[in-house]
Amino acid sequence: NAGVTQTPKFQVLKTGQSMTLQCAQDMNHEYMSWYRQDPGMGLRLIHYSVGAGITDQGEVPNGYNVSRSTTEDFPLRLLSAAPSQTSVYFCASRRGLAGETQYFGPGTRLLVL
Amino acid sequence: GESVGLHLPTLSVQEGDNSIINCAYSNSASDYFIWYKQESGKGPQFIIDIRSNMDKRQGQRVTVLLNKTVKHLSLQIAATQPGDSAVYFCAEMWGAQKLVFGQGTRLTINP
Repeated sequence: NAGVTQTPKFQVLKTGQSMTLQCAQDMNHEYMSWYRQDPGMGLRLIHYSVGAGITDQGEVPNGYNVSRSTTEDFPLRLLSAAPSQTSVYFCASRRGLAGETQYFGPGTRLLVL
Repeated sequence: GESVGLHLPTLSVQEGDNSIINCAYSNSASDYFIWYKQESGKGPQFIIDIRSNMDKRQGQRVTVLLNKTVKHLSLQIAATQPGDSAVYFCAEMWGAQKLVFGQGTRLTINP
């Protein structure tokens, strides 16, 4: 298994541009989520999905959209990038139950100028 | 408010010594706690977890202690090695979906 994969690893955007961060997992996990990590901080939940076709907001959802058309993929869309969205983005997945181990991807480093 | 915090932002220990990383949590209803290790440029890696019906759980060289009375969580690493150098996060699960992370403690191992 490749686990949780993310692309791209690094991206530079100009303010106002849009882009999609890709996330995929090959473990047949039901639950997937997106976090952002700012310097010296813990991770904050952006959006999550408990299964294909179901998504919900986390702590910091503004400026981001998600969709879950398949079990494997959970893309994160930035509609109009802002400098405040400069961060490292992590995708995570787990089997489904709350007590199950959550696995994280390697992250996407985003710089918005 | 909702917060999972750490008592110390940095911790330096000698190689071979034991390390203790502390964490305070605020939600007394949280029923699941996890410690993650994050190395530079990588995503968080699961270390050990504990449920609220337990007060201690041991893994390989790691032990997590949970004190629900004072809402305190700790991670003990025995015989620290250079590879243990990383940032360690505690996280608590609110209900079934929301994982709240603490700020992180940077552990440095001195030779």
